[in-house]
Amino acid sequence: SQQGEEDPQALSIQEGENATMNCSYKTSINNLQWYRQNSGRGLVHLILIRSNEREKHSGRLRVTLDTSKKSSSLLITASRAADTASYFCATDGRGATNKLIFGTGTLLAVQP
Amino acid sequence: DTGVSQNPRHKITKRGQNVTFRCDPISEHNRLYWYRQTLGQGPEFLTYFQNEAQLEKSRLLSDRFSAERPKGSFSTLEIQRTEQGDSAMYLCASSFSTSSYEQYFGPGTRLTVT
Repeated sequence: SQQGEEDPQALSIQEGENATMNCSYKTSINNLQWYRQNSGRGLVHLILIRSNEREKHSGRLRVTLDTSKKSSSLLITASRAADTASYFCATDGRGATNKLIFGTGTLLAVQP
Repeated sequence: DTGVSQNPRHKITKRGQNVTFRCDPISEHNRLYWYRQTLGQGPEFLTYFQNEAQLEKSRLLSDRFSAERPKGSFSTLEIQRTEQGDSAMYLCASSFSTSSYEQYFGPGTRLTVT
């Protein structure tokens, strides 16, 4: 079963604009990760934020985490057509196996 | 190292047939995961191996599903007596237990059951 929901389900923006995606989850976590998936392909890890962190940056990516609200957001700044993909948040569920529990994903389309 | 590979990339089979998928993880990774992804959804965990030991199985993994990882290297996922509901993308991922929690995914095997 899915850990949580992502919002919006789909987002269409122009190149150069910023894109913000939100993720909510249900249980306590050790960390939260964001992955990107191009159509019909495998997932690529983007960024990981630990439960004791509130914000993290990596290049054009900014992730925030609010454990009191069990929510996270991913901001992509100055978007490019190549950013067109599905974006998923994933939590670890505090298990020993580190299996990932994914959200439902946001489909981002960046128009050139 | 070229990353995680999966074969075949696509498989079309008739209902009732058996299928087997293979995953070759990154060579130094001792953790291996299988996930299933249906259209418009995020991946769902199926099973986990640490080295050759299968340590966790999801309730999604019915008796028709079996996975192995002999010698702790490549892994196979077999589905017996396939059903139309088994149509999905099957993803394999690997990671190294003492590193970060990041998992490296293969390109997936897309199964279509007709």
